[in-house]
Amino acid sequence: SQTIHQWPATLVQPVGSPLSLECTVEGTSNPNLYWYRQAAGRGLQLLFYSVGIGQISSEVPQNLSASRPQDRQFILSSKKLLLSDSGFYLCAWRAGTGGREQYFGPGTRLTVT
Amino acid sequence: AQSVTQPDIHITVSEGASLELRCNYSYGATPYLFWYVQSPGQGLQLLLKYFSGDTLVQGIKGFEAEFKRSQSSFNLRKPSVHWSDAAEYFCAVGLRAPNTDKLIFGTGTRLQVFP
Repeated sequence: SQTIHQWPATLVQPVGSPLSLECTVEGTSNPNLYWYRQAAGRGLQLLFYSVGIGQISSEVPQNLSASRPQDRQFILSSKKLLLSDSGFYLCAWRAGTGGREQYFGPGTRLTVT
Repeated sequence: AQSVTQPDIHITVSEGASLELRCNYSYGATPYLFWYVQSPGQGLQLLLKYFSGDTLVQGIKGFEAEFKRSQSSFNLRKPSVHWSDAAEYFCAVGLRAPNTDKLIFGTGTRLQVFP
């Protein structure tokens, strides 16, 4: 069966520091991968998605970037964090072919101080 | 532009009561439709999905949803709520369009269950 991992689970970082969040998927090949941010009291905002290694689509201009160095690895990064980057970050995957349902990881709670 | 509306921000029900969570979407065609549930501090879990065919779909944990094309709605129902159903529920749509690969989420409905 497929599983999706995210780490770290929680992170407290000062403003201006760098960021690296990692997401890995097991049990599937060639997945589509997604990064979402969820702010308190709001829905999910799609940040990036990837349909293959090295292929990244950005949905919202911002202080963040994403990379996909391996088929089942998706990384969210920032060179300098802003207070507004605080939130709950969710990684998701779906099969490259077939239905559109996405499956989510456990999330990373980021607090920028 | 495509959008998803969940008009109820917060719903409170008694354990054992029936539940209906509303979802309306705006899209020029029939989208893919989903309901997800999120417990505090956790990721989202897929409850059910609609792609085509029978407009009443069954999901996990005793939930069902009905797609009504005329109302652009996909409401989630459960005949008898359990205390463990307390969580946040998100409706989402996926667009049936080439070169489009994303879900649009509603802002969620928080369900509180009283014993």
